[in-house]
Amino acid sequence: DTEVTQTPKHLVMGMTNKKSLKCEQHMGHRAMYWYKQKAKKPPELMFVYSYEKLSINESVPSRFSPECPNSSLLNLHLHALQPEDSALYLCASSQETGLVLYGYTFGSGTRLTVV
Amino acid sequence: QKEVEQNSGPLSVPEGAIASLNCTYSDRVSQSFFWYRQYSGKSPELIMSIYSNGDKEDGRFTAQLNKASQYVSLLIRDSQPSDSATYLCAGRDDKIIFGKGTRLHILP
Repeated sequence: DTEVTQTPKHLVMGMTNKKSLKCEQHMGHRAMYWYKQKAKKPPELMFVYSYEKLSINESVPSRFSPECPNSSLLNLHLHALQPEDSALYLCASSQETGLVLYGYTFGSGTRLTVV
Repeated sequence: QKEVEQNSGPLSVPEGAIASLNCTYSDRVSQSFFWYRQYSGKSPELIMSIYSNGDKEDGRFTAQLNKASQYVSLLIRDSQPSDSATYLCAGRDDKIIFGKGTRLHILP
């Protein structure tokens, strides 16, 4: 299994809603990542988990809350989002954060629209 | 200097020709380099990685790294319309940092 699976593929939520994005990988990777990508822009790193511990938070607003329940799962909890948070949210994984010779494998993404 | 820089394009190349994509980088992202292909509305797909000076070939793709000049390039031989996409150059130190991407359009 060489895939990163993200659910849901599309999500529309109101500004007062609470929702969660889910990501799963079964490649034995110990590093997992959340990226945000706006149209015609490169992916922007949000969070890095290494061995199930949060290692990097790129100054992301608290309305985004990551969680790593185990080495295969990564969640992103969303609360009180703004319309400008509408974007493609990408999950990625890699063997370990310290193994710099390896790239990341990306999931297919969740297209989020905040109304 | 930004960490990874690319010309945003679009770069238009006739079908069957060689497409050449270039990227420069700063000292911060000097460990290894990656080329990702991203179709519109889809997620990035890793197509090449390189960390040693010189060329690395995989099918129609060749990645080139020149650490002295701090540039990395991707050549696509025998370009096909299906190669039309945005190509993201990325460098890695403790994390991957992406360039802005180059839009490539292969003309049938």
